[in-house]
Amino acid sequence: AQSVSQHNHHVILSEAASLELGCNYSYGGTVNLFWYVQYPGQHLQLLLKYFSGDPLVKGIKGFEAEFIKSKFSFNLRKPSVQWSDTAEYFCAVKSGGYNKLIFGAGTRLAVHP
Amino acid sequence: DGGITQSPKYLFRKEGQNVTLSCEQNLNHDAMYWYRQDPGQGLRLIYYSQIVNDFQKGDIAEGYSVSREKKESFPLTVTSAQKNPTAFYLCASSSPRGEQFFGPGTRLTVL
Repeated sequence: AQSVSQHNHHVILSEAASLELGCNYSYGGTVNLFWYVQYPGQHLQLLLKYFSGDPLVKGIKGFEAEFIKSKFSFNLRKPSVQWSDTAEYFCAVKSGGYNKLIFGAGTRLAVHP
Repeated sequence: DGGITQSPKYLFRKEGQNVTLSCEQNLNHDAMYWYRQDPGQGLRLIYYSQIVNDFQKGDIAEGYSVSREKKESFPLTVTSAQKNPTAFYLCASSSPRGEQFFGPGTRLTVL
C-alpha cells in the first residue's frame, strides 16, 4: 500500500533558524506532491505543490520544497523561520489516476521568539 | 467568496445517537472528501465522491455513511456503530488536478 512518512513529529526551533521537514513516499510511478499547513485554529491550507517540471518549487510565506525522485522525497525548507510559522505541517501524495491524497502523520513545529 | 463550509463547528453527541455533519462547496468541484483527524495520525480518509450520486469507501469507512445528491453537498453521518467517534472531521473538494481545498472542520465530542 502507498504510504507517506514524515520523519519528525515535533520540531522546536528558535526564530531565524533554518527549517527542513522530511517527507518520503512509497509509490514508484508518477506522483503529484503537496505540503499543507494548519495554523492553530485555522483551515488546512495549501503551502506548495509539485506536478511536473522544475523539482524545486516555491510556495507561500518563503517556503520551498525539492522533489528528489531517486530518493522518493519531497522535503520542505525555509531558510529563516518566524514565530508565525508555528503550525502543523502535512505532506501529501497523489498517485496514479485516482484523485485521492495520501497524507503523512504531520509534523508539529513550534518556533520560539 | 468561494470555498467550503462545514457546520456545525462543534457538535456534542450522546452515545447511541446518529449525527450528521454538513459540508457545502461552491467551487464547482466534482470530487469531495471526508477525513478524520486525530492527534499524531494525520488525516485518514473516510469516504470520497468523484461525482454526484456516486461515492466510495475510504480507509476507515466503518460506522460512517454519506450521500451525494447534489454537486455542492456531501453530508457525513456518524452512526452509533462508530466505536470511537470523538475527533475532528474535515471536508475537502478537489480540483481536476488533485489539489484539495479544505473546510474549517467540525469537532465532534461524544458524551
